[in-house]
Amino acid sequence: AQSVTQLGSHVSVSEGALVLLRCNYSSSVPPYLFWYVQYPNQGLQLLLKYTTGATLVKGINGFEAEFKKSETSFHLTKPSAHMSDAAEYFCAVAPSGGGADGLTFGKGTHLIIQP
Amino acid sequence: DTGVSQNPRHKITKRGQNVTFRCDPISEHNRLYWYRQTLGQGPEFLTYFQNEAQLEKSRLLSDRFSAERPKGSFSTLEIQRTEQGDSAMYLCASSADTKPGELFFGEGSRLTVL
Repeated sequence: AQSVTQLGSHVSVSEGALVLLRCNYSSSVPPYLFWYVQYPNQGLQLLLKYTTGATLVKGINGFEAEFKKSETSFHLTKPSAHMSDAAEYFCAVAPSGGGADGLTFGKGTHLIIQP
Repeated sequence: DTGVSQNPRHKITKRGQNVTFRCDPISEHNRLYWYRQTLGQGPEFLTYFQNEAQLEKSRLLSDRFSAERPKGSFSTLEIQRTEQGDSAMYLCASSADTKPGELFFGEGSRLTVL
């Protein structure tokens, strides 16, 4: 069984500031980890993923995340926020080896960018 | 490739009526998923198909819900005898076997039960 906890339902940062969205997971087997983004009135789209190998993964739009097994975390960061980053962000976990039973998502974090 | 398409985008119905949603996945994807999303929550897994076979069903999927994927192409999700608690956004996603977890989502079908 897997679960995901996203700390902070809303995060507000100033344009140009560091973005940090927190995600902790629980999994009984080695996990695959994902961040998805949902812009208003659009479907969810994959931002980045960790499966195996390098623990620091880079995604689209300058985002990156680091898998830390000891902390069971997969926090999402971006050095400098842009107004276009305002969206809902979801962390998700799947069991390694296929994820045939689908992803388990967190409740999401709404990112607000202040001008 | 036009992505994942869902119809209708919005459906308003009265309690007790039946509704059906359709999902057309990306053509080369053999995995298809249905999720449900309510306000302030992340998507919750409902069911999963590999080609035409329904391989997994969540406990969330009561016997009023049924999903099909004939011929392994499009899929339908039917809700019988709708209840107000069924009001939600129903999301469809598809993926390729070679890229587990990389789901491509449609824009969803929003159901409102009065």
